[in-house]
Formats: sequence, structure tokens, C-alpha cells
Amino acid sequence: QKEVEQDPGPLSVPEGAIVSLNCTYSNSAFQYFMWYRQYSRKGPELLMYTYSSGNKEDGRFTAQVDKSSKYISLFIRDSQPSDSATYLCAMSGLLGGANSKLTFGKGITLSVRP
Amino acid sequence: DVKVTQSSRYLVKRTGEKVFLECVQDMDHENMFWYRQDPGLGLRLIYFSYDVKMKEKGDIPEGYSVSREKKERFSLILESASTNQTSMYLCASSLWAGKSTDTQYFGPGTRLTVL
Repeated sequence: QKEVEQDPGPLSVPEGAIVSLNCTYSNSAFQYFMWYRQYSRKGPELLMYTYSSGNKEDGRFTAQVDKSSKYISLFIRDSQPSDSATYLCAMSGLLGGANSKLTFGKGITLSVRP
Repeated sequence: DVKVTQSSRYLVKRTGEKVFLECVQDMDHENMFWYRQDPGLGLRLIYFSYDVKMKEKGDIPEGYSVSREKKERFSLILESASTNQTSMYLCASSLWAGKSTDTQYFGPGTRLTVL
């Protein structure tokens, strides 16, 4: 089993839809959970960051972590064509020194149709 | 704003050539990373460095080496390029100073084609 699994997609939704993106993981040591967004021909950029379990909201975006189920989600409300991008989940355990690496999901490409 | 720059956006090389990919960050970050990104395989870590002259192998180090002589610069070296190293190469940096967050900031990527 891979450490991080992400639905491969692609995903196409109409403008205004609620989008749910998910990742599962197997490593119980993961404590830090992130979502990156990558536009075409650009590098990924951090979208949301969560430590341990719980919810975090930022505008139209909500990140959810359920450590008991080893499941994380990103919800996008009122999706816009500008949200069309590839979304990657990422996670890590202890940070610092040689532990600073992240484990990424493979990413899912989202297309929001006007 | 953090800025991570990579020496080239597009690069075409021949099989067997030695290839250097350069990455520079301007925020005094301690950690620097090299990834490759391929369709269906996602981001895979090649090497990372958590201090000057310190390096750690990632998930796919074979065929690559790295150099970090200065804090702001991290180089990826393909000693003898092969066609299976055709890929998008992404550099990233992050600050680790005893903080709980360790956001990685990515450069724009280098699309390398090996013929």
C-alpha cells in the first residue's frame, strides 16, 4: 500500500459546484497535512495547512483532517473557473533536519466549466 | 515574498551529456529539495539538503547527484543523461528553525528533454 493515495481524476464540475478532494494515508506518524495547488506550467503553491485533526477554513476553501480514519479532504465552495488546476495533498511527521521531507499524493486535475 | 528561481524553464540535452540544473532561493531557507514530476507518478523526491554540504537521498536518487556549497544554491546533476530522465524538475525550499510549520516553496520548474 502506498503511503499516500489520492483519487487520480480528472474531475470536471460546473461553475458554482461544491468540490470535494480526498486523500488517504497509511503512516500513523503523519501530523502535518497540506494541500498544494498547481496551475499548468507552474510550480505547486501552498493552499492550506493543518496540524493534526480538525477543520480549517480560508474563504471558499475548507481543509479537514480525520486522523482516526487516516483521511484528509479539501472542500471548495462556489467553485470558479480560476480554481481549475491540479491539487496535491502532502503530509509529514516530525519536522526538522533530515525529517523535513513531505510525502505527496499524485495529484488530481480539476476543471471548472463556466 | 519567497522567491525560488531555476536556471532554465526548458532544456534539451543529448543522451550521455552531463546536465546541471541550478536552483537559488532568496529567503535564507535551510532546507532545499529536488523533485521530478511525471504524469501518473506525481511528485517524487530525488534529493534534499537540510544544511550546507548536507544531503539526503530521496525516493529516486539513482542517476542523480547534488551539490550544496552555499545556503542559497542547490544544484542537481545528471552525470550521464538518459532518455528516461526526460521530465519536469522542480526545486523547493523551506525554512526550518524550530517552527511547527515547514511550508515548501516551489520554483517554476525546468522541463528537461533528453534525446
